[in-house]
Amino acid sequence: DTGVSQDPRHKITKRGQNVTFRCDPISEHNRLYWYRQTLGQGPEFLTYFQNEAQLEKSRLLSDRFSAERPKGSFSTLEIQRTEQGDSAMYLCASRGRGGTEAFFGQGTRLTVV
Amino acid sequence: GQSLEQPSEVTAVEGAIVQINCTYQTSGFYGLSWYQQHDGGAPTFLSYNGLDGLEETGRFSSFLSRSDSYGYLLLQELQMKDSASYFCAVRVLNASGGSYIPTFGRGTSLIVHP
Repeated sequence: DTGVSQDPRHKITKRGQNVTFRCDPISEHNRLYWYRQTLGQGPEFLTYFQNEAQLEKSRLLSDRFSAERPKGSFSTLEIQRTEQGDSAMYLCASRGRGGTEAFFGQGTRLTVV
Repeated sequence: GQSLEQPSEVTAVEGAIVQINCTYQTSGFYGLSWYQQHDGGAPTFLSYNGLDGLEETGRFSSFLSRSDSYGYLLLQELQMKDSASYFCAVRVLNASGGSYIPTFGRGTSLIVHP
């Protein structure tokens, strides 16, 4: 068990560019969450997968954001036409069936310049 | 909608006891969790209350009162390494009623002084 891993750890991009982040959850965890966190705030829910099915999306998730989990294992989060307001830490978490604890990755810090 | 309220900052001295309160308003409430996050680190799970009452895990305890929509995290024998942000998170049933989504508060910054 190597924990939840996210890649890259840091990403600097120019406004208007597309970016994609990857999350590898704990291998036996079928539930996967994406969150966004800005300085001084708590993690803000973006979207949730159970296996490969995307079961919940936040109303805050604009059309520029899309997430996939094609085989029920790793997940990707893509942001198209990035804006400066997208600058944040993007956190991925996974949870096992019946578990109460969500395990978080170290996050991907996005800076849009 | 959902709302969680917790103090923005708490300070205490080493060896002391501190209580961080959390009040919530939400539908589909299932339980209350607490997470710790050090600067630059990932949130890590501390405790979960699915039922009313006190849960104890070492120096940390957590309490839930469903009737009051209230919980707290109690940290005893404070150490310098406990300086971190602490988040309460409600576990709510998602719109389709099939899964639980942790929704976080804005966090409490705990500063422990020597």
